[in-house]
Amino acid sequence: EVQLVESGGGLVKPGESLRLSCVASGFTFSSYSMNWVRQAPGKGPEWVSSISSSGYISYTDSVKGRFTISRDNAKHSVFLQMDSPRGDDSAVYYCARLDSNTWTFDSWGQGTRVTVSS
Amino acid sequence: DIQMTQSPSSLSASVGDRITITCRTSETISSNLNWYQQKPGRAPKVLIYAASSLQSGVPSRFSGSGSGTDFTLTISGLQPEDFATYYCQQTYGTPPFTFGPGTKVEI
Repeated sequence: EVQLVESGGGLVKPGESLRLSCVASGFTFSSYSMNWVRQAPGKGPEWVSSISSSGYISYTDSVKGRFTISRDNAKHSVFLQMDSPRGDDSAVYYCARLDSNTWTFDSWGQGTRVTVSS
Repeated sequence: DIQMTQSPSSLSASVGDRITITCRTSETISSNLNWYQQKPGRAPKVLIYAASSLQSGVPSRFSGSGSGTDFTLTISGLQPEDFATYYCQQTYGTPPFTFGPGTKVEI
């Protein structure tokens, strides 16, 4: 069974840093593109960042230069380093797997909540 | 970046109804359009991929159509468990893989 488990969320002050982690199991992690998707209260999901199986990285414009995605295939993990977070970064952050056969986010974690506030 | 719109933003329906939700993209995306269902406190779940293909395990009352810039999700015979929020998403080319703003289906 595919499982994705996020951790690392919490309350952070604007300008401080936070590192989110996602541990995967039940599939060949190194073969998949992994993504971070966030959802602010009452809003739709917003794709944040992706890292492909070959290490190609993309970010949504609003986090470029502030967030860094990385992966450790040996530990079946993907990370999101959030530097200089702002209030509008407050959301539930989900880790999601991209299925390259259907081009869908076919598996999601349970999410970790990030609140940016002084 | 490709922009997404959905209509309506919400709708009220009854068990057994047939409903249709529309998604429009700002650029042509061929058939690279997915539909997700989300219930409160849960992650989104894939219903339809490639505009019209039913994800494994999803009931056949869900169907999708469209290509280019205009797409629809139809639920034929609403069930109590279908009351949720529905999102479209484009996965055309490279990221960003944009989601639509959502359609809330209420009783």
